[in-house]
Amino acid sequence: QITLKESGPTLVKPTQTLTLTCTFSGFSLSTSGVGVGWVRQPPGKALEWLAGIYWDDDKRYSPSLKSRLTITKDTSKNQVVLTMTNMDPVDTATYYCAHSVNGNSPISTYWGQGTLVTVSS
Amino acid sequence: DIVMTQSPDSLAVSLGERATINCKSSQSVLYSSNNKNHLAWYQQKPGQPPKLLIYWASTRASGVSDRFSGSGSGTDFTLTISSLQAEDVAVYYCQAYYGTPSVFGQGTKVEIK
Repeated sequence: QITLKESGPTLVKPTQTLTLTCTFSGFSLSTSGVGVGWVRQPPGKALEWLAGIYWDDDKRYSPSLKSRLTITKDTSKNQVVLTMTNMDPVDTATYYCAHSVNGNSPISTYWGQGTLVTVSS
Repeated sequence: DIVMTQSPDSLAVSLGERATINCKSSQSVLYSSNNKNHLAWYQQKPGQPPKLLIYWASTRASGVSDRFSGSGSGTDFTLTISSLQAEDVAVYYCQAYYGTPSVFGQGTKVEIK
């Protein structure tokens, strides 16, 4: 059974750096074709893909956010970490991590429940 | 970047009737490397994460009801719910996935008439 869970702060101040951790079970990020990605959703709005990291340590970022994002993995701990710098109120959103297959053309098969991050002073 | 545009933004359908959602991409998602359409559909119910329904434009994900079907190729795609049930009330998103970035449509809200 594949499960993912996001963790991190619920409130960050403008200009701060957000660090989110995705802890997963039921699969290995060493398996060929497997990845973990991050997707966010502002309240009442659409989904936005942010970043993905794959079994071969390939990392991909949304071009519009690339300068602010870093994604890393710890295969031994079954964790993926996303950092986003210089947070702004427009970054207020629910952040999801998701298991994917098909390498760096990811099909997001299983999703965490998401964590709501509010950016406010 | 590719742009995914869904229509309509919302629709209300009677129970047992057909619901049809369209998705148009600004460039073809049919890739010659594997001759597949890199197009997925997700369902998101209130307060829940998205759920994968369809991938490769027409392949149902495991456990997904056969009421849901996907069709189309190139730039134009359709998600059809053959006989709407109360539990199908949700927002539906299409997604193009090929390299970077993966792009979602704006969503279509399906309600009961």
